[in-house]
Amino acid sequence: GQQLNQSPQSMFIQEGEDVSMNCTSSSIFNTWLWYKQEPGEGPVLLIALYKAGELTSNGRLTAQFGITRKDSFLNISASIPSDVGIYFCAGHRSGGSNYKLTFGKGTLLTVNP
Amino acid sequence: NAGVTQTPKFRVLKTGQSMTLLCAQDMNHEYMYWYRQDPGMGLRLIHYSVGEGTTAKGEVPDGYNVSRLKKQNFLLGLESAAPSQTSVYFCASSPPSGGIYNEQFFGPGTRLTVL
Repeated sequence: GQQLNQSPQSMFIQEGEDVSMNCTSSSIFNTWLWYKQEPGEGPVLLIALYKAGELTSNGRLTAQFGITRKDSFLNISASIPSDVGIYFCAGHRSGGSNYKLTFGKGTLLTVNP
Repeated sequence: NAGVTQTPKFRVLKTGQSMTLLCAQDMNHEYMYWYRQDPGMGLRLIHYSVGEGTTAKGEVPDGYNVSRLKKQNFLLGLESAAPSQTSVYFCASSPPSGGIYNEQFFGPGTRLTVL
């Protein structure tokens, strides 16, 4: 099945640093979602984006729906140790089934206190 | 609201044994999904259901069966477990899309080991 290209695969940063990660696709998506998965838990929805160019924030997290509709970005500002986890992007593809999402393979974030 | 719950949390099986994983949601969602998560592979869709009494195959359906007899429950069955089915299994649910809302809500997962 189709996959989203998510990068970087992993990041090791110092507490207080800002983080950026992104997802790209060769297909157009009409919804982009960002999830966080902590060890031993299921993914939890962080931010949902519905319009090209949309910029949405949730606390220290900011995500953007790319203008081309083929990419999305997630930024975390002033990272803290509890930001540790795997961040997944997911997209709903235009013209696809209304109930299936395509997932990226995740970005593993480690924050050094 | 408990959201999406999964039973059991952990299970160890021997090759050839069978088992059923139970997923329940109390959000009155129409759509439910079963995924497996393996290192480096991300989340892969096994089967899904768009309503009570209906099921469909996802990306990796072989070796699994599902049933959706009640709207709030979605069962995943392994008839004859194989070591390749060692994985973490996640259930998710979402409301009818009817428009722009495609968010899926996940359960806490079931960690299955097949020896």
